[in-house]
Amino acid sequence: IVMTQTPLSSPVTLGQPASISCRSSQSLEHSDGNTYLSWLQQRPGQPPRLLIYKISNRFSGVPDRFSGSGAGTDFTLKISRVEAEDVGVYYCMQVTHLPHTFGQGTKLEIK
Amino acid sequence: EVQVVESGGGLVQPGGSLRLSCAASGFTFTEYWMTWVRQAPGKGLEWVANIKEDGSEKYYVDSVKGRFTISRDNAKNSLYLQMNSLRAEDTAMYYCARGIGGYYDNWGQGTLVTVSS
Repeated sequence: IVMTQTPLSSPVTLGQPASISCRSSQSLEHSDGNTYLSWLQQRPGQPPRLLIYKISNRFSGVPDRFSGSGAGTDFTLKISRVEAEDVGVYYCMQVTHLPHTFGQGTKLEIK
Repeated sequence: EVQVVESGGGLVQPGGSLRLSCAASGFTFTEYWMTWVRQAPGKGLEWVANIKEDGSEKYYVDSVKGRFTISRDNAKNSLYLQMNSLRAEDTAMYYCARGIGGYYDNWGQGTLVTVSS
């Protein structure tokens, strides 16, 4: 399954919203009815960190300015108001199909 | 506190072998799938392999099949990745992460593997 993210780079003004799109080459809906699409954040020099799982569920400790949506093959991560600590690379990841695959990553930077 | 800590990385010549370890603590190891994900320098994330709670199922990305073996010792709360016939393109930071319910929720800091002569 190929995961395609857009844009690959996103310069954003502090306090403004940001949006990242992720499209899969096949539906990510599993036979059990779940859609195993996650979003991860990787800050500079840090390991990945889970933000969102199963499309729209925020992981423990993740600020509510992060939200996920979508279905089937099209998914979106939104940040309602970007803060300085949000700088980094964001990846979508699917675990519905083997092998598990990631998007190329979207670099979020401050204008 | 949930923690996974990788070790065992280093410099190895092409064709050589290396065994990575991941020590887990702060959770019931036997209740989680475990996975290895790698990241080449300056590149994105690539899933490598995962293993079921009891070790009965293992899956690999095509590029490492036949060369890498994932295993676990539940008595020691440890995950391993045996890497043989290493190639330059295996050079990467290798991360261990735990999985449940279709997502990977806790990641280690990684261990760096460099394949070079």
